[in-house]
Amino acid sequence: EDQVTQSPEALRLQEGESSSLNCSYTVSGLRGLFWYRQDPGKGPEFLFTLYSAGEEKEKERLKATLTKKESFLHITAPKPEDSATYLCAVQGYSGGGADGLTFGKGTHLIIQP
Amino acid sequence: SQTIHQWPATLVQPVGSPLSLECTVEGTSNPNLYWYRQAAGRGLQLLFYSVGIGQISSEVPQNLSASRPQDRQFILSSKKLLLSDSGFYLCAWSPPGGYYGYTFGSGTRLTVV
Repeated sequence: EDQVTQSPEALRLQEGESSSLNCSYTVSGLRGLFWYRQDPGKGPEFLFTLYSAGEEKEKERLKATLTKKESFLHITAPKPEDSATYLCAVQGYSGGGADGLTFGKGTHLIIQP
Repeated sequence: SQTIHQWPATLVQPVGSPLSLECTVEGTSNPNLYWYRQAAGRGLQLLFYSVGIGQISSEVPQNLSASRPQDRQFILSSKKLLLSDSGFYLCAWSPPGGYYGYTFGSGTRLTVV
């Protein structure tokens, strides 16, 4: 069974204070690891897909990296508008059908001005 | 471009009443469709997925059912709601093959009273 653990559960930073969010996973063959951003009362918004260890992707102040056991979402010089819940999900080779993503519980990020 | 519509946005229903949530996708053909539930303090839980008309797979036993009467329409139903059915319900789609990230709808906040 695929499992995803995100840490910390919540993180409060000052504007401009860089940090990283962690996503540890176990999966029987990784098809892809996904990062989403979710604002309160809204559906998750896709950020990145990573497919293999060593891969990195960037978007504005966000950078996602992947190893064989975990992924990090690095936030550089964050702004208040980066406040949201960040979700990590994995898709493995569980065989047959349209395999669903397994999500972590998310990291609730607050950026204070 | 592809868009996903989900309604209603919020719903308050008494225990024992029926439920029907609808999701439609535009701008694509033969999408994989998903229903997820997000409960407070828990991660996103996959409820149902569909790879084609009339093809429904259930991930967890529950009081809910799903149907796909048309290629781009996905419906979540219940004959009699329970208090435990309260939560945030999300519809999502992905291209056939399932090797891509999902695009989520805006969600339905269901409160069973």
